[in-house]
Amino acid sequence: EAQVTQNPRYLITVTGKKLTVTCSQNMNHEYMSWYRQDPGLGLRQIYYSMNVEVTDKGDVPEGYKVSRKEKRNFPLILESPSPNQTSLYFCASSFEGGRAGKTQYFGPGTRLLVL
Amino acid sequence: GQNIDQPTEMTATEGAIVQINCTYQTSGFNGLFWYQQHAGEAPTFLSYNVLDGLEEKGRFSSFLSRSKGYSYLLLKELQMKDSASYLCAVRDSMHDKIIFGKGTRLHILP
Repeated sequence: EAQVTQNPRYLITVTGKKLTVTCSQNMNHEYMSWYRQDPGLGLRQIYYSMNVEVTDKGDVPEGYKVSRKEKRNFPLILESPSPNQTSLYFCASSFEGGRAGKTQYFGPGTRLLVL
Repeated sequence: GQNIDQPTEMTATEGAIVQINCTYQTSGFNGLFWYQQHAGEAPTFLSYNVLDGLEEKGRFSSFLSRSKGYSYLLLKELQMKDSASYLCAVRDSMHDKIIFGKGTRLHILP
């Protein structure tokens, strides 16, 4: 089944404790992206990657890191989480070719609470 | 700057038609997307427009005018399960960023 998976789905942590949220897709998509979603602010892009070893900042990259060592995986790293990073996080991927391409498929989301 | 505007909330009646508008200003344009998102769930793809005109897919249609920076999503024969948020998103061709509007929450009344 074609899908984007994220782990963990729920996470409660404390300020300053490094964490990683994993994202994996099995569709051989080139483009992968991380978003956070907050009430009243909508979905905001954190980082995106056009392909392996190519990453770029989205609109809200501060406090986050990513890596793209393999095509299928795009982990999101919070080196020193702070309470303002409490949010719902989505990973998404898309195929870059063809007219119908660039449609993003979203993972199920990760709810993060930073105390 | 880059900006996408859509109404915050709309209400419509079961069986009716509703049109959700989206206006955008971006530094480049490489396609406009509409997604549906039910509360607590991931967004799911509805439509994609890159050329001007109307794209129809069952009960859902989407229209794009690039010169006006305008799109709309048309939902026909509304069903209770259409109660959700509808997200307009634009892919910026200059940076490959994807910018989302804040979403329109649609309420369907019986």
